[in-house]
Amino acid sequence: KAGVTQTPRYLIKTRGQQVTLSCSPISGHRSVSWYQQTPGQGLQFLFEYFSETQRNKGNFPGRFSGRQFSNSRSEMNVSTLELGDSALYLCASSLTGGQNTEAFFGQGTRLTVV
Amino acid sequence: SQKIEQNSEALNIQEGKTATLTCNYTNYSPAYLQWYRQDPGRGPVFLLLIRENEKEKRKERLKVTFDTTLKQSLFHITASQPADSATYLCALDEDNYGQNFVFGPGTRLSVLP
Repeated sequence: KAGVTQTPRYLIKTRGQQVTLSCSPISGHRSVSWYQQTPGQGLQFLFEYFSETQRNKGNFPGRFSGRQFSNSRSEMNVSTLELGDSALYLCASSLTGGQNTEAFFGQGTRLTVV
Repeated sequence: SQKIEQNSEALNIQEGKTATLTCNYTNYSPAYLQWYRQDPGRGPVFLLLIRENEKEKRKERLKVTFDTTLKQSLFHITASQPADSATYLCALDEDNYGQNFVFGPGTRLSVLP
């Protein structure tokens, strides 16, 4: 079956702009989580969505937001981009999230803010 | 403060030897812990999960242990091969509700032929 698909793979934006990233989970998976990966901070949890509801949230400013649609596809949005938002953004899907369910990661979207 | 550490940023071992990677955590009470492999430019790939009430898990050449007293997990790759070269990440979750992983910084393993 198809894996987790993230689009676009690469993105260059200017400071102050906003960006929307997309994640299509594995068919049948209802939990989608988003992570930011940078060389300095490593992989950091942004938020998790399950059945169109945000179930968990990390310690990121309100400029970072997301949503999940009825088909489990998810988008994350970053407004008023800053240089420090340059990172690899990864989404992970799992059947239900939590214990006993492994997370499957996409290849990520590489965002560069100039 | 809460912290999750992995023993070293990089580890070089000879092909055929056993690689042992360490994950230590402070001020967390994980319900379970997972290990992932990440290759350059790709997302992490799940390897093993171990719960707080389990001591050891195995899968083929992989073994993970979990000591909640020491607050430590060890990840072993036996009979290592150059194809095992990658960054290995540990991740913990404090509850069973939803997914909210805290990842370690990773250890970059190089298996030399």
